[in-house]
Amino acid sequence: DAGVIQSPRHEVTEMGQEVTLRCKPISGHDYLFWYRQTMMRGLELLIYFNNNVPIDDSGMPEDRFSAKMPNASFSTLKIQPSEPRDSAVYFCASNIRGAQGEQFFGPGTRLTVL
Amino acid sequence: KNEVEQSPQNLTAQEGEFITINCSYSVGISALHWLQQHPGGGIVSLFMLSSGKKKHGRLIATINIQEKHSSLHITASHPRDSAVYICAVRSNYGQNFVFGPGTRLSVLP
Repeated sequence: DAGVIQSPRHEVTEMGQEVTLRCKPISGHDYLFWYRQTMMRGLELLIYFNNNVPIDDSGMPEDRFSAKMPNASFSTLKIQPSEPRDSAVYFCASNIRGAQGEQFFGPGTRLTVL
Repeated sequence: KNEVEQSPQNLTAQEGEFITINCSYSVGISALHWLQQHPGGGIVSLFMLSSGKKKHGRLIATINIQEKHSSLHITASHPRDSAVYICAVRSNYGQNFVFGPGTRLSVLP
């Protein structure tokens, strides 16, 4: 298996632009997580899905952030409009409940908003 | 008080030394996860624990549920062990993890 796949790996954009981050979980995994990592706050959960349904989005910072999972093999995290304080590394992870729940992380997307 | 705390925050060791990184948490948990993040940024799962002890190569992880504490040990440390080690806990009530701040380890040759 290729592992969790994220795209793009790097994104540089200007303030006010829309940004879309993409994630393909490991096949067969029924949980998908979006995390944000910054120097100041470390790793934070933004939202997670179970069987494509959002379960907990309490970590989504503002209405500018939205996430979807239209099917079991694809999820997006969208920021509109983007702001410089959104600059961070965004990780996607997936796991299977019942297999001790070990999480498998994607390589991350480094977002820079100018 | 943060839910997950780690100590030390930073650690520098000489190659070959035995290393211990500690994690303490304040909530009831169903599992604890030790992660490794290399300078390139990728995150790798090391261990998932709900009780006792696990060993993989030179790495050993232990957990004491009653004391709400876990330790990660590295024997015969090597410069390639230099990374940030992150402890994460999953509460009894959900599937999401809460992360500690990480311990930055540098192993000098």
